[in-house]
Amino acid sequence: EDQVTQSPEALRLQEGESSSLNCSYTVSGLRGLFWYRQDPGKGPEFLFTLYSAGEEKEKERLKATLTKKESFLHITAPKPEDSATYLCAVRGDYKLSFGAGTTVTVRA
Amino acid sequence: EAGVVQSPRYKIIEKKQPVAFWCNPISGHNTLYWYLQNLGQGPELLIRYENEEAVDDSQLPKDRFSAERLKGVDSTLKIQPAELGDSAVYLCASSRGGSSTDTQYFGPGTRLTVL
Repeated sequence: EDQVTQSPEALRLQEGESSSLNCSYTVSGLRGLFWYRQDPGKGPEFLFTLYSAGEEKEKERLKATLTKKESFLHITAPKPEDSATYLCAVRGDYKLSFGAGTTVTVRA
Repeated sequence: EAGVVQSPRYKIIEKKQPVAFWCNPISGHNTLYWYLQNLGQGPELLIRYENEEAVDDSQLPKDRFSAERLKGVDSTLKIQPAELGDSAVYLCASSRGGSSTDTQYFGPGTRLTVL
């Protein structure tokens, strides 16, 4: 069964303080690793898809990287509006298996 | 482009009552998913539709949960009777379909509270 573990569970950052979130996974035949952002009371919002080890994608202050066993979401010089829960998910077939998420709080 | 629409956004019912959730996917998306999300957890798949056909319902508790997707567009998820443990957020997602690498786009969810 596909498994996803995210760490840390929570992360408190000062505005401008860069950090990284980890997503460790086991899956038979990776068909994509997905990062979503979820704000309170809303559904997950798609950020990135990574397909193979070594791949990187960037969007504003976020950069996602992928190895054969884990993915990192790097947040560079975060702002308060980056506060959210970041979810990682893997797909081995059509089913997405999610981690529990990392809740990021950025203080001004 | 309009996103995935869900209603109601919130629902409070007493245990043993029935409840239904409605989802309208993104136009042109053939694949529709229902997920359940408990507090502090990631979403878990309940059922996946390819057009009108439920192709993966292995995680749907069929004794009390049912779903339908008539005409391959809108979908309804029903619980009858609801139990206290069903309190959660029910998310609908859609994707274009035809490829296992399709991106899934989520609606805002329905927060169910069972008293």
